[in-house]
Amino acid sequence: SQELEQSPQSLIVQEGKNLTINCTSSKTLYGLYWYKQKYGEGLIFLMMLQKGGEEKSHEKITAKLDEKKQQSSLHITASQPSHAGIYLCGADAWRDDKIIFGKGTRLHILP
Amino acid sequence: EAQVTQNPRYLITVTGKKLTVTCSQNMNHEYMSWYRQDPGLGLRQIYYSMNVEVTDKGDVPEGYKVSRKEKRNFPLILESPSPNQTSLYFCASSLSPGIYGYTFGSGTRLTVV
Repeated sequence: SQELEQSPQSLIVQEGKNLTINCTSSKTLYGLYWYKQKYGEGLIFLMMLQKGGEEKSHEKITAKLDEKKQQSSLHITASQPSHAGIYLCGADAWRDDKIIFGKGTRLHILP
Repeated sequence: EAQVTQNPRYLITVTGKKLTVTCSQNMNHEYMSWYRQDPGLGLRQIYYSMNVEVTDKGDVPEGYKVSRKEKRNFPLILESPSPNQTSLYFCASSLSPGIYGYTFGSGTRLTVV
């Protein structure tokens, strides 16, 4: 069955440092979504990527989808405490409007 | 404000006592879905609905029921809850998940003792 692998599972970075989270699929993705979740709370939509090579930015967060549409990366520049949380990637892998999710990456920011 | 509203936010219940978690959206979305989130397992889909009176099983439907009698509401029913259904539950809605992704509710933390 289709799965999304996220790496790393957990990340601890010093405030002000850059970081990257990856999301990999064994199959072509027809829509890739990034969400952020504060611990124990709801998911907040960050960005959606659909085209191979596409890149989007929101404030200090940039997401890219590779040309093959099988891997996406989320990059945070000059991290801040407000970036802490769980980042999840989701994808419509079968073009059937059924969204599956990776297991998430827990991000901790050290002051 | 456009939103997905779940109730309750927190619930502690005993094994076997039927319960319903309500979900309502005010965005006129066709699609609605229930997910559960567990440590190490991530988000897993329980049931989804593509429109009124149309529901389908997700990856982990056992022990759950849903109904979609109105477009805005999609309640999750646990007829006989068991401790392995202790989890964080999310309701979500979308015009078309493959195009727009989902809008999520704030979650319901359920504990079954």
